[in-house]
Amino acid sequence: GAVVSQHPSWVICKSGTSVKIECRSLDFQATTMFWYRQFPKQSLMLMATSNEGSKATYEQGVEKDKFLINHASLTLSTLTVTSAHPEDSSFYICSARAPGTRTDEQFFGPGTRLTVL
Amino acid sequence: AQSVAQPEDQVNVAEGNPLTVKCTYSVSGNPYLFWYVQYPNRGLQFLLKYITGDNLVKGSYGFEAEFNKSQTSFHLKKPSALVSDSALYFCAVRALGSGYSTLTFGKGTMLLVSP
Repeated sequence: GAVVSQHPSWVICKSGTSVKIECRSLDFQATTMFWYRQFPKQSLMLMATSNEGSKATYEQGVEKDKFLINHASLTLSTLTVTSAHPEDSSFYICSARAPGTRTDEQFFGPGTRLTVL
Repeated sequence: AQSVAQPEDQVNVAEGNPLTVKCTYSVSGNPYLFWYVQYPNRGLQFLLKYITGDNLVKGSYGFEAEFNKSQTSFHLKKPSALVSDSALYFCAVRALGSGYSTLTFGKGTMLLVSP
């Protein structure tokens, strides 16, 4: 089946630093990748939709200058949290969509736990 | 706009008993419905999906879900719960049609199965 990986699985950083999270589709090409944020005991909130070779589309309320998304290839998208602050601490999950029929679906990565001190 | 409601924050069931996790949805047009399971500090694992066809959908780990169009529901069920089924369950919906609409998730229901 389709596998999506994320790296790192967890990261601790100091306030003010930037952190990059990678999302890779391992056995398929993903034209579209999605980045979600999940707070403890809450649902997944879509942050942005990333299309290969074009700018990401951010959901309302998500700061695009703070959460930089790059989808440089069909197998890799990165999320960079710039000038991270404690309130950015969260569980970040990516998913990837393979091109195909209208019934295609998203395959989720294992998530990255970010803790900002 | 599309939305998903999971009315129960937590469902408690004894091992061996049947379980139901409720989900209702709202979407323009025909729905494309999913159930996912999440274990602590892990990503989402796909359980099952409904597109068209039989209203009863069978998925992974013995789970099934029943699509009810008139009640706009897609409840997750399992005939006999296992302790290992204890996890957080998410229902999700997207509109099925031309183009691609994003997934909308419910807030999640914690399932606790006691020995």
